[in-house]
Amino acid sequence: GAGVSQSPSNKVTEKGKDVELRCDPISGHTALYWYRQRLGQGLEFLIYFQGNSAPDKSGLPSDRFSAERTGESVSTLTIQRTQQEDSAVYLCASSRDSTEAFFGQGTRLTVV
Amino acid sequence: AQSVTQLGSHVSVSEGALVLLRCNYSSSVPPYLFWYVQYPNQGLQLLLKYTSAATLVKGINGFEAEFKKSETSFHLTKPSAHMSDAAEYFCAVSEAGANSKLTFGKGITLSVRP
Repeated sequence: GAGVSQSPSNKVTEKGKDVELRCDPISGHTALYWYRQRLGQGLEFLIYFQGNSAPDKSGLPSDRFSAERTGESVSTLTIQRTQQEDSAVYLCASSRDSTEAFFGQGTRLTVV
Repeated sequence: AQSVTQLGSHVSVSEGALVLLRCNYSSSVPPYLFWYVQYPNQGLQLLLKYTSAATLVKGINGFEAEFKKSETSFHLTKPSAHMSDAAEYFCAVSEAGANSKLTFGKGITLSVRP
């Protein structure tokens, strides 16, 4: 597709369940980012993938959060044993180089 | 390591007034600098970017920003605010010439009063 695609667009889950969020970056983009945006808050960096380099996981808030990326393709963000404070919009972005990142529309996660 | 500082979380201006959103950065190498905008219930989109060409950069919707190395600043301005400018604005930095991570500021909410 022409842009960054995220799925699902909305997810409601029960507290304690695991969720998996998907991001399809723009083809050819070597860099991929995950951010979290809580209601009324700014962007919270989670994780950064760049080509075949080891990912920068410095933003992951706890060991319940993990992310994988297959080559320069799809990425999945997994949240285990979800908590209510995990409720947020999860944004994915991809970039070909350092000059611009393109964002998806996000996945709105609600933990009830 | 690079960082971005956006002072304050909220700016309110009257329609037709000057918009000034401040951004200061820290980078050990020449930076690339960006402003992104997020309209209500929408995704982030690029407003403008500085990538070591002209220091005064023009973006969409009448916005512009000036890179000032001596002040390590990249403030966003618009001469006359419009109601449709109400949004969240994010400043970001990366390192020029490298596949470096894009680092965002906390963002600032712009409100426009009629």
